[in-house]
Amino acid sequence: EAGVAQSPRYKIIEKRQSVAFWCNPISGHATLYWYQQILGQGPKLLIQFQNNGVVDDSQLPKDRFSAERLKGVDSTLKIQPAKLEDSAVYLCASSLELTVNTEAFFGQGTRLTVV
Amino acid sequence: KNQVEQSPQSLIILEGKNCTLQCNYTVSPFSNLRWYKQDTGRGPVSLTIMTFSENTKSNGRYTATLDADTKQSSLHITASQLSDSASYICVVGILTGGGNKLTFGTGTQLKVEL
Repeated sequence: EAGVAQSPRYKIIEKRQSVAFWCNPISGHATLYWYQQILGQGPKLLIQFQNNGVVDDSQLPKDRFSAERLKGVDSTLKIQPAKLEDSAVYLCASSLELTVNTEAFFGQGTRLTVV
Repeated sequence: KNQVEQSPQSLIILEGKNCTLQCNYTVSPFSNLRWYKQDTGRGPVSLTIMTFSENTKSNGRYTATLDADTKQSSLHITASQLSDSASYICVVGILTGGGNKLTFGTGTQLKVEL
């Protein structure tokens, strides 16, 4: 079974530039998550999709971050404009439908460095 | 405020030794507790998932315990190997209308040495 695919693996941009990350979840997984993991910290949820609808974006900095999930499958996360504090690993995860024991599978992440 | 706290922050042990990692949480309403292993430069990988009614679950050399009354969990690693060197993250989930909402701890960084 193929895992969660993310690209690019690494990205270096200057502050105030824009950047986009892409995620392809495991086939058939209805739930998709984007997390931000700052060095030395645990992942923090940015946005959660159920199919192509947003179910939680309470911690997404909406003035600069946006995300969409096309046709309930692939997803993109965009930052515009980037700030130095956005330097982090951006993890995408997916899981099957709503059960208590649903396992979330993570991609390898995109490491963003803002200089 | 929903929080997950882990201890110790970091740990160094010799290969072959056992160790126990701790997790305390205040997440409510509790639905499930997970332990993840995260190797450097990789995404987290699930080790165990426990619900309210389970108080222990094993996965090979990893054994997790849960005390839902005291809101504590532990992860015991037996006969450690060099490949166990990683960050171990405790994650507590609540089940919402939109699926599992996961709150992550900051992790315990484990290093296994010869």
